[in-house]
Amino acid sequence: GQQVMQIPQYQHVQEGEDFTTYCNSSTTLSNIQWYKQRPGGHPVFLIQLVKSGEVKKQKRLTFQFGEAKKNSSLHITATQTTDVGTYFCAGALLSSGSARQLTFGSGTQLTVLP
Amino acid sequence: EAGVTQSPTHLIKTRGQQATLRCSPISGHTSVYWYQQALGLGLQFLLWYDEGEERNRGNFPPRFSGRQFPNYSSELNVNALELEDSALYLCASSEIDRRQETQYFGPGTRLLVL
Repeated sequence: GQQVMQIPQYQHVQEGEDFTTYCNSSTTLSNIQWYKQRPGGHPVFLIQLVKSGEVKKQKRLTFQFGEAKKNSSLHITATQTTDVGTYFCAGALLSSGSARQLTFGSGTQLTVLP
Repeated sequence: EAGVTQSPTHLIKTRGQQATLRCSPISGHTSVYWYQQALGLGLQFLLWYDEGEERNRGNFPPRFSGRQFPNYSSELNVNALELEDSALYLCASSEIDRRQETQYFGPGTRLLVL
């Protein structure tokens, strides 16, 4: 079955440092999505990337979708304590059929030290 | 617009008992997903229901079961509870009709098995 691998599992950074999490799929994806789960909370949708090589920005967050649509990354510039949480990528298979399911990566837990 | 709701928020059971968790999706969403998230870990896919039917099932024993009602709300049942079933159970909904796989999560039910 489809697998979505995400690294690193944990990341501790000093406030102000940059942070990147990487996501790799064993199969070509139709799109990839990113979610953030704050401590004690539930995952919240951040963004969806659809096109090969697509880059999207949300303030200090930069999301990229690889040319082969098998990998993606999330980069945070100058982290703040509000960035703390677990970031999940989730891939939708490029397949036929009217219904598709997301496969979630294992998540990267980000800790920002003040 | 109301989000995904789950009940109860917390549930305490003893080993061997049965637990029933409930989820109401966002209005207009026909798909409901269930995930198990053990403390500090990632999202483990349990079940996917769409239009009243089970579409897919994760790698969990048969004592994890569920159903989806005509109003698209869903129930997750866990029989013969074991200590390791203690976790946060998250429900998510999405609009499959428009091929929008984005999932919107509820706040979860925290199940503690003693």
